[in-house]
Amino acid sequence: NAGVTQTPKFRILKIGQSMTLQCAQDMNHNYMYWYRQDPGMGLKLIYYSVGAGITDKGEVPNGYNVSRSTTEDFPLRLELAAPSQTSVYFCASTRSHNQPQHFGDGTRLSIL
Amino acid sequence: AQTVTQSQPEMSVQEAETVTLSCTYDTSESDYYLFWYKQPPSRQMILVIRQEAYKQQNATENRFSVNFQKAAKSFSLKISDSQLGDAAMYFCAYRSPTGTASKLTFGTGTRLQVTL
Repeated sequence: NAGVTQTPKFRILKIGQSMTLQCAQDMNHNYMYWYRQDPGMGLKLIYYSVGAGITDKGEVPNGYNVSRSTTEDFPLRLELAAPSQTSVYFCASTRSHNQPQHFGDGTRLSIL
Repeated sequence: AQTVTQSQPEMSVQEAETVTLSCTYDTSESDYYLFWYKQPPSRQMILVIRQEAYKQQNATENRFSVNFQKAAKSFSLKISDSQLGDAAMYFCAYRSPTGTASKLTFGTGTRLQVTL
């Protein structure tokens, strides 16, 4: 059972480039989330989804987009990378509101 | 909006000793969930323990226990018989049961060092 899988694990981007961070879960969870973690800080919610076809903004959504075409996948898109988006990105999922979230191993993204 | 405060950026404990990490939160809700997550250098987010606000009994998981003071909005984590493998960042998190999103709000974390 793979759980929550994030790819890539590391990436360096140039300013203005775009990329997609991939997240997949094999637990048939309806709820999925994207967080970012800046150095020395806690995680902040970027976007979330409560099911296929449904997404909503979290605390820090500017500069990002998401889609949820299937239950399993929840990709995060950066369109015009900026240095302020240098961070570690975590994807998480959960079955229901009274269950813990399962986290992926994170993607370390540097924008230079 | 809910906020979570961890006022101890760093803590240190000797192996086999006990340490308590503090967490306070602000909410107007009466029912909610609280969590402690551990993040070792591998940066995985590992659930340590959780507490449902409607339960008066403090949660316990082996060497980890909480002191949940609902009126004071306090949720501290006690680690007994500390081990070298306990060294990590520890994050306190709050989750509201209202709505359908099950979103987490995190504190800024406490870095725990374990010394010989």
